[in-house]
Amino acid sequence: AAGVIQSPRHLIKEKRETATLKCYPIPRHDTVYWYQQGPGQDPQFLISFYEKMQSDKGSIPDRFSAQQFSDYHSELNMSSLELGDSALYFCASSPRGGNTIYFGEGSWLTVV
Amino acid sequence: RKEVEQDPGPFNVPEGATVAFNCTYSNSASQSFFWYRQDCRKEPKLLMSVYSSGNEDGRFTAQLNRASQYISLLIRDSKLSDSATYLCVATALIFGKGTTLSVSS
Repeated sequence: AAGVIQSPRHLIKEKRETATLKCYPIPRHDTVYWYQQGPGQDPQFLISFYEKMQSDKGSIPDRFSAQQFSDYHSELNMSSLELGDSALYFCASSPRGGNTIYFGEGSWLTVV
Repeated sequence: RKEVEQDPGPFNVPEGATVAFNCTYSNSASQSFFWYRQDCRKEPKLLMSVYSSGNEDGRFTAQLNRASQYISLLIRDSKLSDSATYLCVATALIFGKGTTLSVSS
């Protein structure tokens, strides 16, 4: 079965640079979630989108922004990167009318 | 205070043991609860949803106590392959810090 696809899987950026992560949800899933997981931490909810509109906002820094496109894929844009942004970024999706979320394999961001 | 609290462990148990994890949540309006399993450097994978009536899937049993605002996960006959971090989740947004289980032979 198709899963949530994230790209790139690994990314290395320098401080103050910009990074973009992409997420392709499971087909027919209309809700996308973004999480950040630092070393030894639990996943922290950043932001979610339902039908291309922001539905919930968590601890997403102002330097980050995200959107969901007409084909339901989503992008997380991170600017003015800081060392502390180094983490594993998960995208997850859930189906219409459902509340179970399914995670992608994550994108490893390293800021040097 | 974190909205979802878990004992981080680690729980070190021998094969065949029964182990239970608890998780408390603070938002009484939370409607849906889940247990996820996360292996090191991998994505969380859904283990089971948690229903008020309790639910069982093989060696795993999950229960929800709304009055006391906690959920539990019971693993019977632990296998080496059960070694992982178990995350409890309230709605889709709030994760506990996870409980680490290590099963040894």
